[in-house]
Amino acid sequence: DIVMTQSPDSLAVSLGERATIDCKSSQTLLYSPNNKNYLAWYQQKPGQPPKLLIYWASTREAGVPDRFSGSGSETDFTLTITSLQAEDVAVYYCQQYYTTPWMFGQGTKVDIK
Amino acid sequence: DVLLVESGGGLVQPGGSLQLSCAASGFAFSASTIHWVRQASGKGLEWVGRIRSKANVYGTAYAASVKGRVTISRDDSKNTAHLQMNSLKTEDTAVYYCTTINDYSAYWGRGTLVTVSS
Repeated sequence: DIVMTQSPDSLAVSLGERATIDCKSSQTLLYSPNNKNYLAWYQQKPGQPPKLLIYWASTREAGVPDRFSGSGSETDFTLTITSLQAEDVAVYYCQQYYTTPWMFGQGTKVDIK
Repeated sequence: DVLLVESGGGLVQPGGSLQLSCAASGFAFSASTIHWVRQASGKGLEWVGRIRSKANVYGTAYAASVKGRVTISRDDSKNTAHLQMNSLKTEDTAVYYCTTINDYSAYWGRGTLVTVSS
């Protein structure tokens, strides 16, 4: 199984400041034939299902604010929130969909400092 | 709009059975792979299993934690997928989501709560 490891487990950032979450996979998520990284980022708030933010490692889902961005390739990925807003308080998960079993990172809780 | 709606959750005793359903609309259900993911209260997301399309011979795969106890099936005529769970354990208590992903997005239902308790 592909193991997904996020860091940090939690972080507190001041409003308007940058938040960065890293995600490392134990195997490459880059599929060479189509040059796509099978990595997604989700935001989850209490009592709600996960909300897709980023797929293909860097493609923003429609309607997601452009302060959210994804980067990285192969085994190392990053989710960046450039200017944290109060509504961004949530748990964030990375997920590999390169192969089954799908695996998720353990989650990163983002709070306001 | 894409919609996935899970149903069938509830309270069941250890050793019991339950069948969850996922009703889909707004996308090409019959051509899509449907996954089930669960989340215990306060915990992370755990993949349960998936079923592929008819073109992929309805191939199924399951997490090691549930293999042998769960079966995923689908009825493309009703745009519905099912998760049959047997020999339930207390550790199966979770919200169960159905989800699908394609080249352009991922879609999740709101989940259905399964509680395994005596």
